[in-house]
Amino acid sequence: DAGITQSPRHKVTETGTPVTLRCHQTENHRYMYWYRQDPGHGLRLIHYSYGVKDTDKGEVSDGYSVSRSKTEDFLLTLESATSSQTSVYFCAISPRVDQPQHFGDGTRLSIL
Amino acid sequence: EDQVTQSPEALRLQEGESSSLNCSYTVSGLRGLFWYRQDPGKGPEFLFTLYSAGEEKEKERLKATLTKKESFLHITAPKPEDSATYLCAVQAGFSGGYNKLIFGAGTRLAVHP
Repeated sequence: DAGITQSPRHKVTETGTPVTLRCHQTENHRYMYWYRQDPGHGLRLIHYSYGVKDTDKGEVSDGYSVSRSKTEDFLLTLESATSSQTSVYFCAISPRVDQPQHFGDGTRLSIL
Repeated sequence: EDQVTQSPEALRLQEGESSSLNCSYTVSGLRGLFWYRQDPGKGPEFLFTLYSAGEEKEKERLKATLTKKESFLHITAPKPEDSATYLCAVQAGFSGGYNKLIFGAGTRLAVHP
């Protein structure tokens, strides 16, 4: 298994609170991605990173920000959580842009 | 608009009953098509990459094929441990080094003894 650790694995919080999810990799891969998975929608890209301090938006980036200060860590922040952000969040990594992405086991986030 | 559609949404098979899952796509400039398996509470697990029409890949009871408009995941003589959700994703092209994957909603497969 690719060395990807997501934390926390589960979180329940209230609307309006800030939330940070962490993705840690031990593979030294350049590319890191954050997705959300919702019933009927498949996986949708939120943000991605192509190097330390190099990030860009995906298709559903509104309400989310990311940071990558080290190769191994990619943080996803919800500045002010809303109920529509209740979802399962997955981190993925790949060594090169043309290589398959490998996924962590996800964070289940509930916003009440 | 780039799109990936998987069918059926759910499939129930008896152990040993072979079948196929479908992934149809409309994208501009296909770079590759990926199949993943996802177990409950887990992240997607990579199975195959297909790059060009006519290509086939096999792994145990699974065989993936690709045409210009769709891909099939054939499951031969499935076992209960093949039960999972199977996801298809298309790589639609590069943009500044970004591997853009478009995922289908998946097919939930249940194999009963």
